[in-house]
Amino acid sequence: GAGVSQSPSNKVTEKGKDVELRCDPISGHTALYWYRQSLGQGLEFLIYFQGNSAPDKSGLPSDRFSAERTGGSVSTLTIQRTQQEDSAVYLCASSLYSYNEQFFGPGTRLTVL
Amino acid sequence: DQQVKQNSPSLSVQEGRISILNCDYTNSMFDYFLWYKKYPAEGPTFLISISSIKDKNEDGRFTVFLNKSAKHLSLHIVPSQPGDSAVYFCAALTGANSKLTFGKGITLSVRP
Repeated sequence: GAGVSQSPSNKVTEKGKDVELRCDPISGHTALYWYRQSLGQGLEFLIYFQGNSAPDKSGLPSDRFSAERTGGSVSTLTIQRTQQEDSAVYLCASSLYSYNEQFFGPGTRLTVL
Repeated sequence: DQQVKQNSPSLSVQEGRISILNCDYTNSMFDYFLWYKKYPAEGPTFLISISSIKDKNEDGRFTVFLNKSAKHLSLHIVPSQPGDSAVYFCAALTGANSKLTFGKGITLSVRP
């Protein structure tokens, strides 16, 4: 596809379970970003990848959150021992290079019961 | 500590009139500003941007104005159309890193 894709589109999980969210960026885009949007809030930066390395992880809210990117393409965001406050829409974006316009995927809506 | 502020949560405008969406920022290191538009259940889509070395950028019906001394930018949509009804986010970048800092968004409703 031409755009950023994310899966699953919706995820409902029980408190304490681990979840994995996937992002497929636009082909050829070197930079990849994860954001989340909690109810009534703006988009909050989580982590940024340039290629496979993550020069900026400053937005990850706790050590329960981790992310990796392989082959300079697909990225996975993992949340361990989910809590109710993790409920949000998790958005992935990619850009051709850093400091370019970022193109967003449709997001994964995570609900932790 | 909110570095990008969109103080009005909503705006309602008559079709054909001008929509003016405002955004204020506090971080003087921001040097690139973007507006994104978001429909429900979709990701934000890039609309228009402006570098801090400019004070205006125009693209069709959309114009962004930047007042660096006031740390204020605005998005003008003219004429407004019902299809413009969406949530609009203001975002900012610094040259030091690439993460976007977003405002909370403003919901624009354009009445037919």
